[in-house]
Amino acid sequence: QQQVKQSPQSLIVQKGGISIINCAYENTAFDYFPWYQQFPGKGPALLIAIRPDVSEKKEGRFTISFNKSAKQFSLHIMDSQPGDSATYFCAASMRNFGNEKLTFGTGTRLTIIP
Amino acid sequence: GAGVSQTPSNKVTEKGKYVELRCDPISGHTALYWYRQSLGQGPEFLIYFQGTGAADDSGLPNDRFFAVRPEGSVSTLKIQRTERGDSAVYLCASGSADARGTQYFGPGTRLTVL
Repeated sequence: QQQVKQSPQSLIVQKGGISIINCAYENTAFDYFPWYQQFPGKGPALLIAIRPDVSEKKEGRFTISFNKSAKQFSLHIMDSQPGDSATYFCAASMRNFGNEKLTFGTGTRLTIIP
Repeated sequence: GAGVSQTPSNKVTEKGKYVELRCDPISGHTALYWYRQSLGQGPEFLIYFQGTGAADDSGLPNDRFFAVRPEGSVSTLKIQRTERGDSAVYLCASGSADARGTQYFGPGTRLTVL
């Protein structure tokens, strides 16, 4: 059972453009929604995260939009740069006596072309 | 400061052999997680430690997999009678009780079972 669905699987965006990656979740008990960036041969690195009490969070060029009623959230990368080329994973978790194990989406391979 | 480290970075073994994968979390982090990432997929939760105890091992695929964290710091993931299907990148992440939800990942150990 895939609890977090991510799309698209791959994405090509022109330099300076906006990259948009979408995720949908099923478990309404999730209360923490991070996005991770992963470069080849490296572990995932936390990019930005949101909790369901807000509908949007912005950090620099990265914005998360969150729609609680639709159980969807998305990552927007403004002014996309070649250095943003990586695989992006959405994830979700709920706190259970300190346990915040993450459920990940299947990933989006983003390529920024000049 | 030092991040999460994992050793070895690569491990090649033969079917049926026993392997140990080591994780050194960020100093002071009480929460430690193991995940497994298959090619082209998002990480999947294996086990969660709070201190020395395995508080949630629901993600371990079968009884060939075992993990310990005897002193509440370094953790070792142990796989007995390895199978070709165990080939994946094994990721370790640690977290602090003060920074709810944030998990810091190591670079992973790439396990190849021939």
